[in-house]
Amino acid sequence: DVKVTQSSRYLVKRTGEKVFLECVQDMDHENMFWYRQDPGLGLRLIYFSYDVKMKEKGDIPEGYSVSREKKERFSLILESASTNQTSMYLCASRTGRGLYNEQFFGPGTRLTVL
Amino acid sequence: LAKTTQPISMDSYEGQEVNITCSHNNIATNDYITWYQQFPSQGPRFIIQGYKTKVTNEVASLFIPADRKSSTLSLPRVSLSDTAVYYCLVVYSGGYQKVTFGTGTKLQVIP
Repeated sequence: DVKVTQSSRYLVKRTGEKVFLECVQDMDHENMFWYRQDPGLGLRLIYFSYDVKMKEKGDIPEGYSVSREKKERFSLILESASTNQTSMYLCASRTGRGLYNEQFFGPGTRLTVL
Repeated sequence: LAKTTQPISMDSYEGQEVNITCSHNNIATNDYITWYQQFPSQGPRFIIQGYKTKVTNEVASLFIPADRKSSTLSLPRVSLSDTAVYYCLVVYSGGYQKVTFGTGTKLQVIP
């Protein structure tokens, strides 16, 4: 079974803090993604990485950065957290090989910024 | 990126077959149609993927007409546990491109 794990299920931070969200996958997948999900807006892609040290901006990258130093780990960084970054954050991974497009999602991190 | 349109919500009684239709008028030759299911407080889960005609697995069937401009996800005999949000995606298979999940269809199964 593919496992995608996220470092925390719930996180509470203060405005201005630097926040790290960690995601680890155990299936040697090339591609990894960070999404945020807000009521009425669906899932929106923040950043994705198609290989180690490679990253591409998604639809809403402002206020975020990412790091992928190892294949299995993809980190999302909020440089200076703001209240409008309160959201559910979901990490996913996918093989970069073949035609199969399944993304495997982690359980999510519910972040509250006060 | 091919844009998809699907109903915002649907209700169904237990035991009925549910069909959720998605339109994707500008689908390209190398695009596949993929559906995900999401339960509250969980990440989405892949259900089924197809290119044309019909695909069936243990969870659902996917019907794609010859012009591929729409697709229908069919859930046989739904139960309360099928209450979830269902997302239709068009995914390019020639290499990675961004995918858009949109807001999906919220299916409520009624006892």
